[in-house]
Amino acid sequence: EAGVAQSPRYKIIEKRQSVAFWCNPISGHATLYWYQQILGQGPKLLIQFQNNGVVDDSQLPKDRFSAERLKGVDSTLKIQPAKLEDSAVYLCASSQGRDRRNTQYFGPGTRLTVL
Amino acid sequence: AQSVTQLDSQVPVFEEAPVELRCNYSSSVSVYLFWYVQYPNQGLQLLLKYLSGSTLVKGINGFEAEFNKSQTSFHLRKPSVHISDTAEYFCAVSDQNSGYSTLTFGKGTMLLVSP
Repeated sequence: EAGVAQSPRYKIIEKRQSVAFWCNPISGHATLYWYQQILGQGPKLLIQFQNNGVVDDSQLPKDRFSAERLKGVDSTLKIQPAKLEDSAVYLCASSQGRDRRNTQYFGPGTRLTVL
Repeated sequence: AQSVTQLDSQVPVFEEAPVELRCNYSSSVSVYLFWYVQYPNQGLQLLLKYLSGSTLVKGINGFEAEFNKSQTSFHLRKPSVHISDTAEYFCAVSDQNSGYSTLTFGKGTMLLVSP
């Protein structure tokens, strides 16, 4: 079974530029999550999708971050414009459904450096 | 809101020695508890989870954890570690009664196994 795929793996940009990350979840997984992991911290949820609808985006900085999940499969996370404090690893995860007992499966992440 | 405290940021240990990684969570409400491992440049992988029933949970790679409701703890243990266990370990909690399947992570404990 293929895991969660993410691209790119690394990205370096200057502040005020825009950037986009892509995620392909495990086939059949209805729930998709984007996390931000700052160096030395645990992952923090940014947004959760159920199929192509947003379930929870309470911690997403909506003035600069946006995300979509077209057709309930792939997802993109965008930052525009980027700030220095956005430097982090962005992790995508998926699970079979919203049941809190379900295991979340994580991709390898995209490491973003903002200069 | 839930919070998770991992009391040690780093735990150095010699190969074949036992190890315990400590985790405490904030809330006394019913929770699900998880331990994830993150190897360098990889995403998180589930080690084990407590959902209900026996308070001693066995996971992959010889790890186990014990849920202690009165002390709101979920410590991870392994009787004999290997070099390959060197990684970052994250404890996470999910409120059983929350509307969303949100995981709250601790800051992580780096396990450093030396020969």
